[in-house]
Amino acid sequence: NAGVTQTPKFRVLKTGQSMTLLCAQDMNHEYMYWYRQDPGMGLRLIHYSVGEGTTAKGEVPDGYNVSRLKKQNFLLGLESAAPSQTSVYFCASRIDRGRGDTQYFGPGTRLTVL
Amino acid sequence: AQSVAQPEDQVNVAEGNPLTVKCTYSVSGNPYLFWYVQYPNRGLQFLLKYITGDNLVKGSYGFEAEFNKSQTSFHLKKPSALVSDSALYFCAVRDSGNTPLVFGKGTRLSVIA
Repeated sequence: NAGVTQTPKFRVLKTGQSMTLLCAQDMNHEYMYWYRQDPGMGLRLIHYSVGEGTTAKGEVPDGYNVSRLKKQNFLLGLESAAPSQTSVYFCASRIDRGRGDTQYFGPGTRLTVL
Repeated sequence: AQSVAQPEDQVNVAEGNPLTVKCTYSVSGNPYLFWYVQYPNRGLQFLLKYITGDNLVKGSYGFEAEFNKSQTSFHLKKPSALVSDSALYFCAVRDSGNTPLVFGKGTRLSVIA
């Protein structure tokens, strides 16, 4: 049971390039989330999904797109990277048994946009 | 709308002394409160949560947290700090339905030997 995994761990992009971050979970969780972490800002929600085939916007969705084609995977896309998207990105998931469910986090992806 | 405040960016404590990391929240309904810890270059690890029942919640690594409804607080505590407790601590809240967790900005704990 690997829990929540993220690929890649590190990436450097040039402004305008595109990339996709992959999040995978093997816990059969319904809900999945993408957060970004910036110094002094805590974790801010980008997009989330309450089930396969569904997505919703979070607090800071601009410049990002997501897809949840399979229950175990949640992809985060940057179509045209900007320096403001330099951040550490965390994926999380939780089962759907109630509001007290714990969210479990992946190890993060450190992205630098030059 | 739900929100969380962690009023201290940094907390310093001597090894062996008790520690407290503060958290206050704002929700429209009943709160579901969580504490996470982040070690350098790692993801967030779950420490403990309050759902209902006893106001004192015990969690991993000897940490506990006290839920105070009248003060809308959920402070993290440990009776005797260890140098290995040095990390970034996040408080988070969820109120109703399927809403995602909302996190505070984090408090950096430094335990000095």
